[in-house]
Amino acid sequence: QVRLQESGPGLVKPSETLSLTCSVSGDSISTSPHYWGWIRQSPGKGLEWIGNIYSSGNTYYSVSLKSRVTILVDTSKNQFSLKLTSVTAADTAEYFCARTSIAADWHFDLWGRGTLVTVSS
Amino acid sequence: SYVLAQPPSVSVTPGQTAFISCGGDNIGSKSVHWYQRKPGQAPVLVIYNDGDRPSGIPERFSGSNSGNRASLTISRVEAGDEADYYCQVLETRSDQMIFGGGTKLTVL
Repeated sequence: QVRLQESGPGLVKPSETLSLTCSVSGDSISTSPHYWGWIRQSPGKGLEWIGNIYSSGNTYYSVSLKSRVTILVDTSKNQFSLKLTSVTAADTAEYFCARTSIAADWHFDLWGRGTLVTVSS
Repeated sequence: SYVLAQPPSVSVTPGQTAFISCGGDNIGSKSVHWYQRKPGQAPVLVIYNDGDRPSGIPERFSGSNSGNRASLTISRVEAGDEADYYCQVLETRSDQMIFGGGTKLTVL
């Protein structure tokens, strides 16, 4: 059974960098045909795609966040990570990692449970 | 940028059929995917590629897509179907994954 688990600080100060890790079990990032992605949901708002990464390191980012986002993959640990710089209160959200199926247009076929990150001093 | 429009809310009584729409410019030319999000739980893919169901999703969930509108249909609605539902597409021109604003399904 494939599982994804987000981890990282639940509180980040304004202007600092938000860093999260997604640990994958039951599937190998290095051999899987899937991309791996990050999505967030701010309080009272809808889902927002952040970006995707492949095992090769190839990435796709949301144009609205591209200037502040970096997604990296560590195949030796079967993990991928998210870094979001210069955070503000608007970045307070529940952050999800997900497996991205690229067959016939991309969609997220498996999600982590999510982790809440609050941006506050 | 490509925009997906969903009604903020839909209400049905148990046993009825719920229809949730997702509007977009020529959305019929894209593959539409639907997610269910219950409070405190991770989103779950309920329909992909317009009308395919992942394993474990009841046959009561179906989807269609044509022209400028895609739809998620939930037949014989149960109390457990109460959730937020989101549509999603890939904007291929810019390689952006786009979500609709979400629809809250209330089972009265």
